[in-house]
Amino acid sequence: DTGVSQDPRHKITKRGQNVTFRCDPISEHNRLYWYRQTLGQGPEFLTYFQNEAQLEKSRLLSDRFSAERPKGSFSTLEIQRTEQGDSAMYLCASSLETGHGELFFGEGSRLTVL
Amino acid sequence: AQTVTQSQPEMSVQEAETVTLSCTYDTSESDYYLFWYKQPPSRQMILVIRQEAYKQQNATENRFSVNFQKAAKSFSLKISDSQLGDAAMYFCAYRGYGGATNKLIFGTGTLLAVQP
Repeated sequence: DTGVSQDPRHKITKRGQNVTFRCDPISEHNRLYWYRQTLGQGPEFLTYFQNEAQLEKSRLLSDRFSAERPKGSFSTLEIQRTEQGDSAMYLCASSLETGHGELFFGEGSRLTVL
Repeated sequence: AQTVTQSQPEMSVQEAETVTLSCTYDTSESDYYLFWYKQPPSRQMILVIRQEAYKQQNATENRFSVNFQKAAKSFSLKISDSQLGDAAMYFCAYRGYGGATNKLIFGTGTLLAVQP
């Protein structure tokens, strides 16, 4: 079990460019979550999948953000037309549908928009 | 909507001493989970301890224990015999039990410094 992995770990982009992050959850976990964390703050929920179905999206998730989990395994989070306010750490987590409710987090993808 | 509040942005403790981090939450649900997560600098968030709301007994994991007061909606974390490796950001989190709410709701965190 290699844990939750995220790629890339760091991304620097110019305002207006599109970026995509990838998350590979723990293999037997059918739930996958995306969170955003800004400096000195707690993670904010963005969206979550159960298998390939996107079951919940936060109102924080503007229409520039889209997430997919096409085969119920890895997930991608795309941000279009990036803005400086999108600079943050994007965290992915996974969990079992059963179990005790805890999420297992990856190391995050840090986005800097210049 | 559920909320989680951590009123201590920063705390400091001497090595080998005990420190308590505070957390309060607001919910109308009767069944839920509460968690403390640790986030070391530039490293991933890891689970420290979990409490199910239906359990009256406070959870304990080695040097970490909680004081869960359901009526007061309070969930504090006690770290005994503090070690340098305990220095990190600590987040309190809430999750509803079952139903449509499966996400964790986090507080703003407490940055713990451990002094040698």
